[in-house]
Amino acid sequence: KAGVTQTPRYLIKTRGQQVTLSCSPISGHRSVSWYQQTPGQGLQFLFEYFSETQRNKGNFPGRFSGRQFSNSRSEMNVSTLELGDSALYLCASSLFAVSTDTQYFGPGTRLTVL
Amino acid sequence: AQTVTQSQPEMSVQEAETVTLSCTYDTSESNYYLFWYKQPPSRQMILVIRQEAYKQQNATENRFSVNFQKAAKSFSLKISDSQLGDTAMYFCALGVIQGAQKLVFGQGTRLTINP
Repeated sequence: KAGVTQTPRYLIKTRGQQVTLSCSPISGHRSVSWYQQTPGQGLQFLFEYFSETQRNKGNFPGRFSGRQFSNSRSEMNVSTLELGDSALYLCASSLFAVSTDTQYFGPGTRLTVL
Repeated sequence: AQTVTQSQPEMSVQEAETVTLSCTYDTSESNYYLFWYKQPPSRQMILVIRQEAYKQQNATENRFSVNFQKAAKSFSLKISDSQLGDTAMYFCALGVIQGAQKLVFGQGTRLTINP
């Protein structure tokens, strides 16, 4: 099976812009979760989608949003970018649940906000 | 709130040695899952080992084993016969089942295996 893929791999944006990141899960996986990884804050859970519905959400402002399509592919959107949004954004997929199943991670999207 | 603490930001050992990475966590739930994930340099994060809290037996995967002390809320990872390919960031994670399900990660331990 193909692994989790994320596009693009690298992005450079300026403050105030918005960005959309994409994630394609492993075939058959219905749960997709997103994480922000920074040197200072470590890995933080953003949200989880299951069957096109956001099932859980971490402590991030409303500028961070996402969606999941019927084929389980997911997108994450960040509006009104701030310098502090510079991070590696990881996507992971699993069969059913973020909290109990093995997560299969993608390579990440490195976002730089100037 | 659930928290995960990894008290060793960096560790370094010689190849073939045994190394133990520490992890403590805090949760009020009686059942949950614990994980160790490995993130090699410039490579994708992968699962090392997974433990369900109500199972008392410690999980093992080849050279990797855990010491799960539920009362002490401790979940350490032991790597035996360490290899150069074990060089990576290691993250301990807590799977929260009740209420808002999520995965809570520790800050990570950067492990270097020296030849």
